[in-house]
Amino acid sequence: AQSVTQLDSQVPVFEEAPVELRCNYSSSVSVYLFWYVQYPNQGLQLLLKYLSGSTLVESINGFEAEFNKSQTSFHLRKPSVHISDTAEYFCAVSAYSGGGADGLTFGKGTHLIIQP
Amino acid sequence: DVKVTQSSRYLVKRTGEKVFLECVQDMDHENMFWYRQDPGLGLRLIYFSYDVKMKEKGDIPEGYSVSREKKERFSLILESASTNQTSMYLCASSWGGRAFFGQGTRLTVV
Repeated sequence: AQSVTQLDSQVPVFEEAPVELRCNYSSSVSVYLFWYVQYPNQGLQLLLKYLSGSTLVESINGFEAEFNKSQTSFHLRKPSVHISDTAEYFCAVSAYSGGGADGLTFGKGTHLIIQP
Repeated sequence: DVKVTQSSRYLVKRTGEKVFLECVQDMDHENMFWYRQDPGLGLRLIYFSYDVKMKEKGDIPEGYSVSREKKERFSLILESASTNQTSMYLCASSWGGRAFFGQGTRLTVV
């Protein structure tokens, strides 16, 4: 079984400031790692994912996350946030068996609040 | 793009009613999931299915059942709705470890 811990339920930052949203996971098997974003009144959208290869992954809107196996972390960062980044961010893990269901285990979410 | 469609965005039902939440995906994915989302609790897995007529309990299956008669459709059933089932319900399908979500159904039980 897997578990995900998002250490901050809310993160307020000023516009154009850098931000880091923290995510730690535990699992007895290898996992895939994801960040999903949920804008107000919308469903979840995939922001970025780590499946294999380079441990640093990037999204098209300037976010990046780094898989750190020794620290079992997958923190999300952005060097300069915009008001439009205001949303709920969910970290998730999946232990892909290859043959059966590969359900995601989610963290409780971090609400990113951008202050002008 | 993958499309996951939930039949209703908003529903209001009375306590004790039988409630059906429908979800359809158009990418021939084998795996489908139902989650509920509550403030401060994140997303919790209710049921999932990895094939037609197959179902597995998630973390919080009590009070719910599911039906998967066709590959593209996965239904969540509240046998007798209760006020503690007021929540946002999210359906997802997945392939290769990546999940695609519907827009969600906000269910209010009064």
